[in-house]
Amino acid sequence: GAGVSQSPSNKVTEKGKDVELRCDPISGHTALYWYRQSLGQGLEFLIYFQGNSAPDKSGLPSDRFSAERTGGSVSTLTIQRTQQEDSAVYLCASSIDRDQPQHFGDGTRLSIL
Amino acid sequence: RKEVEQDPGPFNVPEGATVAFNCTYSNSASQSFFWYRQDCRKEPKLLMSVYSSGNEDGRFTAQLNRASQYISLLIRDSKLSDSATYLCVVLGGSYIPTFGRGTSLIVHP
Repeated sequence: GAGVSQSPSNKVTEKGKDVELRCDPISGHTALYWYRQSLGQGLEFLIYFQGNSAPDKSGLPSDRFSAERTGGSVSTLTIQRTQQEDSAVYLCASSIDRDQPQHFGDGTRLSIL
Repeated sequence: RKEVEQDPGPFNVPEGATVAFNCTYSNSASQSFFWYRQDCRKEPKLLMSVYSSGNEDGRFTAQLNRASQYISLLIRDSKLSDSATYLCVVLGGSYIPTFGRGTSLIVHP
């Protein structure tokens, strides 16, 4: 499709497991962003990529969180040793350049039991 | 002071009403501004960019006031389908986007 694609749509896992979330940005978009949103809360910025580089990783909540982007396209967000407080919707967005509007995927709803 | 602040509302208005939201920001070096709408349990969708000269898209008008460091969104002739949460986004000099917490709008018959 032409939009931002995220997978899986839903993920339920046990506390302590690792999870990997995937984002396929719009073709040609150089900037890619990860956010998370807890129920009834605002968007929390996690990290952004310009190309394959992440200029600022300070938004990642802990060292259990990591992200990478390869080939200037697909990105994965990995959460190790998941905790219940990691439960949220994880949203990915891309933009044609970092000062341009972002377009969001449908998100991955993560539930940690 | 929070980086980006919005009145959470809810703004409860009848169909046909005109309603305006403001969003204040603290970083005077901010360069780019946008309005998004977010429906319940959905992803944010771009509504419009905000330009220095102000811009209009149908019933929606966005304005930027750099001196007072706020952006505004005006919705004329409100429709039931306008009910949503409206998010402002500010890009600072480092291109890190900061989203406001959103303003809830409820348009009733």
